[in-house]
Amino acid sequence: EIVLTQSPGFLSLSPGERATLSCRASQSVRSSLLAWYQQKPGQAPRLLIFGAFTRATGIPDRFSGSGSETDFTLTISRLEPEDSAVYYCQQFDMSPITFGPGTKVDIK
Amino acid sequence: QVRLHQWGAGLFKPSETLSLTCAVYGGSFDDDSDDFWSWIRQAPGKGLEWIGGTDSSGRAHYRPTLKSRVSISVDSFKNELSLRLTSVTAADTAVYYCARGRPMQYVSGWYYFDLWGQGTLVTVSS
Repeated sequence: EIVLTQSPGFLSLSPGERATLSCRASQSVRSSLLAWYQQKPGQAPRLLIFGAFTRATGIPDRFSGSGSETDFTLTISRLEPEDSAVYYCQQFDMSPITFGPGTKVDIK
Repeated sequence: QVRLHQWGAGLFKPSETLSLTCAVYGGSFDDDSDDFWSWIRQAPGKGLEWIGGTDSSGRAHYRPTLKSRVSISVDSFKNELSLRLTSVTAADTAVYYCARGRPMQYVSGWYYFDLWGQGTLVTVSS
């Protein structure tokens, strides 16, 4: 099983700042088969990024993904108050599909 | 616009069988044979755990640690996706989501999830 580790666990930033979220895999993820999700309290997760860097439909361009093999990054430039949420990475290279433990982003 | 709606009982006793259903509106489970319809759960205050899923032809795959207790199936006539989890314990207490899995084009692999149900809180307690 591919284990995903996310850091930091918690991030507190001000509106307009840049957030950099890390996702590290226990083994190489082929062809960047990695996705990112945003989850707000009481809601289902929302797909942000798939294939490591492709934005899902309707996702603002302030969200961007990068990385390869074992190290991936989600960057949120110009944070807005509605970006306050927990962010999860997910690998879909191998079964079982696994998710990281999440990074909570708080907008001050 | 395609959406998923799920339902089922919210309270089970230990050793009972959990059963949930998910329907797709504005589409059907066999619209795209590449889709992989999954159940994912989230224990209170915890992260996401993929339980398993199936394609529209009934080919199912499960998380190894749950494989002996779980069954996921699609009924194309009713346009419903079902989850059955036997012998539940308190450790199965979670919000359960149905979700549509999509493969990456031109790349062999598994699925990312672009469409989610609203979630159902399931509590296992005596």
